[in-house]
Amino acid sequence: EAGVTQFPSHSVIEKGQTVTLRCDPISGHDNLYWYRRVMGKEIKFLLHFVKESKQDESGMPNNRFLAERTGGTYSTLKVQPAELEDSGVYFCASSHHRGGTDTQYFGPGTRLTVL
Amino acid sequence: GNSVTQMEGPVTLSEEAFLTINCTYTATGYPSLFWYVQYPGEGLQLLLKATKADDKGSNKGFEATYRKETTSFHLEKGSVQVSDSAVYFCALGLIQGAQKLVFGQGTRLTINP
Repeated sequence: EAGVTQFPSHSVIEKGQTVTLRCDPISGHDNLYWYRRVMGKEIKFLLHFVKESKQDESGMPNNRFLAERTGGTYSTLKVQPAELEDSGVYFCASSHHRGGTDTQYFGPGTRLTVL
Repeated sequence: GNSVTQMEGPVTLSEEAFLTINCTYTATGYPSLFWYVQYPGEGLQLLLKATKADDKGSNKGFEATYRKETTSFHLEKGSVQVSDSAVYFCALGLIQGAQKLVFGQGTRLTINP
């Protein structure tokens, strides 16, 4: 069974540009999460999808970030326009059932550098 | 609020040394507790977990016990190997609601031969 995949693995852009990150969860997983680790700090939650619906987007930093999960399969996270403080590693995770103690499986992350 | 505090790194040990990485938490509900590990160049992997007080999670020689009285979930291993070099993250997840994970800041561990 394939794991969570993310694309690209690295992205270097200039301030003001747009970047779109993609996450493909494990097949059949209804839950999809986005997290971010900035500058060696703790990993912070961004948002959670259940299928195609946003269940919790309380961690989204501002309206420059837009996440979608059309059809309840893969998800994209767009940053427009990117700012310097958006640099970091963006992780995606998926899990099978809602709630409980279901394990979240993480992707390798996308390292975003904004110059 | 919910938070996780890990011992600050980096931690450097010699092979076969005993390892402890401290983790304490604050939670408003009844969390599950996790240790995730990130090996160089790879993504986060679940190392072990515990879902209720006094549970012990174990995997690959690592252990952690869910201590409600001290709100702790310290990671231990009796004899570390060079291959254990990685960044370790303690995290909590609340059963209620979306079960988003709250992470500590991570502890970089380096094992020297």
